[in-house]
This record gives sequence, structure tokens and C-alpha cells, in this order.
Amino acid sequence: NAGVTQTPKFQVLKTGQSMTLQCAQDMNHNSMYWYRQDPGMGLRLIYYSASEGTTDKGEVPNGYNVSRLNKREFSLRLESAAPSQTSVYFCASSEDYVSLRFSGNTIYFGEGSWLTVV
Amino acid sequence: EDQVTQSPEALRLQEGESSSLNCSYTVSGLRGLFWYRQDPGKGPEFLFTLYSAGEEKEKERLKATLTKKESFLHITAPKPEDSATYLCAAHFGNEKLTFGTGTRLTIIP
Repeated sequence: NAGVTQTPKFQVLKTGQSMTLQCAQDMNHNSMYWYRQDPGMGLRLIYYSASEGTTDKGEVPNGYNVSRLNKREFSLRLESAAPSQTSVYFCASSEDYVSLRFSGNTIYFGEGSWLTVV
Repeated sequence: EDQVTQSPEALRLQEGESSSLNCSYTVSGLRGLFWYRQDPGKGPEFLFTLYSAGEEKEKERLKATLTKKESFLHITAPKPEDSATYLCAAHFGNEKLTFGTGTRLTIIP
């Protein structure tokens, strides 16, 4: 039972470098999300994809781009990394979009990607 | 602005010592209240969803309850393996879940 798989697990970047975090889910979920988790801040939504072919900004989208490659895969790209983007990134998925037909909907998270920008 | 506040930030209990974790939220159209468990170096693991005041859900030593302004996660006779950070999140009918910062629970053998 893989669930939500994200890579890489750990990455160190220099300021200005770019990288892509990969995420795949095998639960046939329609909706996928990228969160970041920082000490004292809680999980914050970066971008989400309500369904294949759509993406939307969350509460902290600046400095990031996303691609919903197909129903299974949702990638997060840092075009020019900054130290403020040092964080733990979580990919997540749910059967349906959080605000639609919500009853019984549950979000499942991946194991996380630890990113350090120096 | 919709907010979720968890208390305490950290809690240390002896094995078998029952206690409760609190999650309070702004009362603006709550659609659902979620509890997650997060182990160090792992992603959050879903525990419960509560939808209406008075609702309760149980799983092993954990019981989650919901009132009109807060939720409690009661831990009965905890064991060391219950040590983790417990997160709550609220859905206010917009595009996202609003997460609290978590309670770090340590159970001492």
C-alpha cells in the first residue's frame, strides 16, 4: 500500500537553484495538494489541484509552480530557491476536492520532503 | 480570519495517565474538524473527522469530541507508542483546511 509517494526525501539547494518535487498517488484520487510545514506555523497550503487538468493557488503560492501531469502525479517546482523556502513539504491527496461533496472526504499525506536552501 | 489554536503546545504524561488535548476554532461556519497524528519524520496520519457539535468518535485509547467552539482529543491510559504530535484542522467551507500548530505528546514509561 504505497498511498502517496514523494521524492526526494531530502535535498539541499543553493540560493537561486531550481528543483522539482515529485508526487504520485495510487488511490485513484481526484484531488492533490502541496503543503509546507514550518515550526510554529502549522501546515499551509501552497497549491492544489481539484481535478486532473486544473491547478489553483493556496495561501502561500509565491515562488512555486505546479504541474498536474496526470491523475496520479502532481509536481511542485521551485524556480529560484530562496532560504525562506527551507521547509518540510508534504504532498497529499483526497478522493474529492476539500470544499466539494466534503462529507466523508479525507486527505492522505505523503512522508514529506525536507528541503534546505543555503 | 479563520483560526485554529491548539493547547497545550507540549504535554508529558506518565504511562497510564489520562489527559485531553484542546483544539479551539473561530466559529464561522465550521464544516468539519479533523484530527491527525504525526510521528517524527513522517507525514500526518488521519485519525478522525467530526462534523457536528455533540459528535464523538473513538479509536483504541483515543476519543475525539466536538462542541460549538472547540474539540478535545481525550487519551485514556496512554502508552509510550501514543507519543506523537497531534494536529487538528478545520474546514470552514472555503478551499482549504486550516491547521493548528499541534500538541507534542510524550508518554513516559
